[in-house]
Amino acid sequence: SAVISQKPSRDICQRGTSLTIQCQVDSQVTMMFWYRQQPGQSLTLIATANQGSEATYESGFVIDKFPISRPNLTFSTLTVSNMSPEDSSIYLCSVLLHDRVGGYTFGSGTRLTVV
Amino acid sequence: LAKTTQPISMDSYEGQEVNITCSHNNIATNDYITWYQQFPSQGPRFIIQGYKTKVTNEVASLFIPADRKSSTLSLPRVSLSDTAVYYCLVGDGNQAGTALIFGKGTTLSVSS
Repeated sequence: SAVISQKPSRDICQRGTSLTIQCQVDSQVTMMFWYRQQPGQSLTLIATANQGSEATYESGFVIDKFPISRPNLTFSTLTVSNMSPEDSSIYLCSVLLHDRVGGYTFGSGTRLTVV
Repeated sequence: LAKTTQPISMDSYEGQEVNITCSHNNIATNDYITWYQQFPSQGPRFIIQGYKTKVTNEVASLFIPADRKSSTLSLPRVSLSDTAVYYCLVGDGNQAGTALIFGKGTTLSVSS
């Protein structure tokens, strides 16, 4: 199964600043997904990032706030821009592997606290 | 995507069998039923997937009645380490490549 590495695992940031979260996969994958999990809540899809095309954002999420890069088939970044305390959440990346049942694998997440 | 409904929380004791039922009345013909488990400070982890009848693996069993409008995840002889959030998801498996959409999940608490 694919191994996903997310960096940083956690961070405390000042409001108004930006944080870039990295997601590295040990195999090539076409589809990568970014989720947000607010404290005590379920996961909410932010965007789908396919290599070679613009990310597709879900309702309520915009590119200016959450720009995503997908430079190759093993790497993606999510930036949380101009942060406010409401952005304090766990951010997770996920990849889809078509050759296994279930198929979706998640990173361990980045715990972000904005002060 | 079919909407799912599952209990918000369940409590159990070590050694008991736990059954978590999920309702998905609007499941489509080509939809699969998939369960994920999430421990604190970790991403969700795939447990089991099925289309109809019964599926069993080393972790759990999944029971799906003929009308497929519900499913039951069965965890045999739970231990403290099974304390987690369990998510039921319905979709076309991992073939179409659409993202997983999570519902609220069921928080299972196992006590000694």
